[in-house]
Amino acid sequence: DTAVSQTPKYLVTQMGNDKSIKCEQNLGHDTMYWYKQDSKKFLKIMFSYNNKELIINETVPNRFSPKSPDKAHLNLHINSLELGDSAVYFCASSQDITTGELFFGEGSRLTVL
Amino acid sequence: GNSVTQMEGPVTLSEEAFLTINCTYTATGYPSLFWYVQYPGEGLQLLLKATKADDKGSNKGFEATYRKETTSFHLEKGSVQVSDSAVYFCALRLTSGTYKYIFGTGTRLKVLA
Repeated sequence: DTAVSQTPKYLVTQMGNDKSIKCEQNLGHDTMYWYKQDSKKFLKIMFSYNNKELIINETVPNRFSPKSPDKAHLNLHINSLELGDSAVYFCASSQDITTGELFFGEGSRLTVL
Repeated sequence: GNSVTQMEGPVTLSEEAFLTINCTYTATGYPSLFWYVQYPGEGLQLLLKATKADDKGSNKGFEATYRKETTSFHLEKGSVQVSDSAVYFCALRLTSGTYKYIFGTGTRLKVLA
């Protein structure tokens, strides 16, 4: 039973398209995150939600829009995809915002052609 | 600002060699410190953690000690195995404000049989 699951695992699309990545956690955690990992493995926080409320919104282009319908789900929608958006996107969760380890999904590899 | 600096890889060792991966940090307050490991094609998973000065985190033969005086959290293992080949990330979690996680750039370890 996967703790943090994200779909799709692989996504290949053309520049200018709009795409979404979905994430679900079954751990009962309050806090969820989106991270972007580039080709050099550098990991950067994009967004953090606590109980459906946006807590962290890093300097991410507004083409990226997160949505949390409930505390178990955090989806990422990307408009007008660009070549530089190609990366692996990781969803993660933690018990709450102040403490605890991060539990990561397996990642969604986005390739923009 | 808050940051984590870890040694650049790749680090290539023979099986049963001693491993050290250096990590230093800059942070306001007293952060919690972590090492995460990422195996090929997977998300990150917690390896060990320490939440206050002089704490030693340990797991699977890996150890790291929270050194406040040198702002360091170096990862060590006495005898590495081929199965330890992965990317290792040092990270800190702020203990106030946004409680943000900050990751180092990752160090790739390759262990040869």
